[in-house]
Amino acid sequence: AQSVAQPEDQVNVAEGNPLTVKCTYSVSGNPYLFWYVQYPNRGLQFLLKYITGDNLVKGSYGFEAEFNKSQTSFHLKKPSALVSDSALYFCAVRDMRDSSASKIIFGSGTRLSIRP
Amino acid sequence: DGGITQSPKYLFRKEGQNVTLSCEQNLNHDAMYWYRQDPGQGLRLIYYSQIVNDFQKGDIAEGYSVSREKKESFPLTVTSAQKNPTAFYLCASSSYPGVSNYGYTFGSGTRLTVV
Repeated sequence: AQSVAQPEDQVNVAEGNPLTVKCTYSVSGNPYLFWYVQYPNRGLQFLLKYITGDNLVKGSYGFEAEFNKSQTSFHLKKPSALVSDSALYFCAVRDMRDSSASKIIFGSGTRLSIRP
Repeated sequence: DGGITQSPKYLFRKEGQNVTLSCEQNLNHDAMYWYRQDPGQGLRLIYYSQIVNDFQKGDIAEGYSVSREKKESFPLTVTSAQKNPTAFYLCASSSYPGVSNYGYTFGSGTRLTVV
């Protein structure tokens, strides 16, 4: 089955502290993984992706994600959180169930709250 | 600027009415998608289209209809058969088959409320 799981509905972090938003996946074949961010009443914005290569991927706004094949995880990280990072974060994986592979499956989202 | 435009931003529907949500893109993307977002449920795929004059049902297509007469446009109609239409609707597009490299570009969404 193709799926992506975000085990935490909410993550609370103090400003300046490191943050981690967790994501695990289940796909057939090589995973193509994405992170998106959503601010209130807005569409999703692309943060970063993993296709192949270096397991540590750097993206927008100082975020990075680490691909771990043995643990089937793709956790989102940032060394020092900002209040402006508060938003809803979605992990996603390319759906390989159809030959076109043109669809992406999204996790349920994790709300990140950064307190001053 | 290239992007996806969804309109209207807010839409109110009376019981038994059909309403149409607009989605237009000028990115020259081949594929377009409609998602529904409910609190705590993430994004669920309603319909998608990979080329003009062709579209496929997603996971929750019942009560919805779409058309793809032009590459730039992918309107979604929420019919009276959709029993619980109150939600946030997101349109997205991607280059095809480039979705693997670039993911989706999203519109800013339409919030539909039944009154």
